[in-house]
Amino acid sequence: DTEVTQTPKHLVMGMTNKKSLKCEQHMGHRAMYWYKQKAKKPPELMFVYSYEKLSINESVPSRFSPECPNSSLLNLHLHALQPEDSALYLCASSQEEASTDTQYFGPGTRLTVL
Amino acid sequence: EDKVVQSPLSLVVHEGDTVTLNCSYEVTNFRSLLWYKQEKKAPTFLFMLTSSGIEKKSGRLSSILDKKELSSILNITATQTGDSAIYLCAVGGTSYGKLTFGQGTILTVHP
Repeated sequence: DTEVTQTPKHLVMGMTNKKSLKCEQHMGHRAMYWYKQKAKKPPELMFVYSYEKLSINESVPSRFSPECPNSSLLNLHLHALQPEDSALYLCASSQEEASTDTQYFGPGTRLTVL
Repeated sequence: EDKVVQSPLSLVVHEGDTVTLNCSYEVTNFRSLLWYKQEKKAPTFLFMLTSSGIEKKSGRLSSILDKKELSSILNITATQTGDSAIYLCAVGGTSYGKLTFGQGTILTVHP
């Protein structure tokens, strides 16, 4: 089983709202990732967690706040977003944070910021 | 800075044709090259190629890594309409966990 689940599937929010995206995997993977993907562009890495600790932050604005409550869960808290933050947000996981470990992606959350 | 370039950017073929997608890379301390297929949502993993595994095959899809030329190809034989998708190439180097993606190739297969 290589399933990563994400909720919600779609989210519409105003610029003053606070919302959260959720990602879950039960493969025993110890590395989890958040990516942002704009239309017709490849995924861009935002954050990497390894063993529940933040390993990589790709200079993401503070209005995006990641959280890894346990080894199976990854959240992305959103606050005061801008319309240009509208995108598909993908979560992925891999066995370890290693370049030779396959990253498996979830279905994504389609976010629209009004 | 790591760089991955895919070609062509888009391709239109008819069912039954064979296609070859290209991926070239400039990465510090290459570790792995991955191919993904993306339809409406999540990228779906196809293959991983490393120094110890430079050829992979699954059904009508196959991929080869050329470490000398710093490139990879993805071949799809006897294409079907269900092969229509964006094919992404991603490369892993020294930055653990970080994949650098190419722009993708949009493949359209007409009946």
